[in-house]
Amino acid sequence: NAGVTQTPKFQVLKTGQSMTLQCAQDMNHNSMYWYRQDPGMGLRLIYYSASEGTTDKGEVPNGYNVSRLNKREFSLRLESAAPSQTSVYFCASSQFPGLAGFYLGEQYFGPGTRLTVT
Amino acid sequence: AQTVTQSQPEMSVQEAETVTLSCTYDTSESDYYLFWYKQPPSRQMILVIRQEAYKQQNATENRFSVNFQKAAKSFSLKISDSQLGDAAMYFCAYRSLNDMRFGAGTRLTVKP
Repeated sequence: NAGVTQTPKFQVLKTGQSMTLQCAQDMNHNSMYWYRQDPGMGLRLIYYSASEGTTDKGEVPNGYNVSRLNKREFSLRLESAAPSQTSVYFCASSQFPGLAGFYLGEQYFGPGTRLTVT
Repeated sequence: AQTVTQSQPEMSVQEAETVTLSCTYDTSESDYYLFWYKQPPSRQMILVIRQEAYKQQNATENRFSVNFQKAAKSFSLKISDSQLGDAAMYFCAYRSLNDMRFGAGTRLTVKP
């Protein structure tokens, strides 16, 4: 049981390049989330998926797109990377569906991806 | 939008002593949950303790306890008998049906 896995662990991009961050969970969780973590700002929610086939914007969605490929996988795409997107990105999952996943359940976090955009 | 404030960017404690990390939040909602997460150097986020806003009793998990003051919108974390493995960033988090916010974090150092 690996929990929440993320690939890659590190990535360096040039401005304007695109890439997809992958996230998978093997806990049969309904909800999945993408956060970014910047110094002095804690974690901020980018997008979340309350259940397979649904996605919703979080606090800072601009410049990102997501896909809930199936129940296990939730990817985050940067179409045209900008230096302001340099950050550590965390994926998380929760047992409970929808925002109740926030409300009730513990979120399980992946190890993070450190992304640098030059 | 709700805000979560951790006013102590860094704290230090001697091994085996007790330390308290502060967190305040702003909300107009009556129903919500509060959490403390630990992030060690490995960057993995680990849930330490949670508190339901409707419960008056403070949550406790082994050496970790909270002081939840709903009227004051305060949610502090007390770590007793501090251990070297407690050294980490600690994040306070607020969740309601419509929102989720994290504080900026407090870096805890444990001195042997």
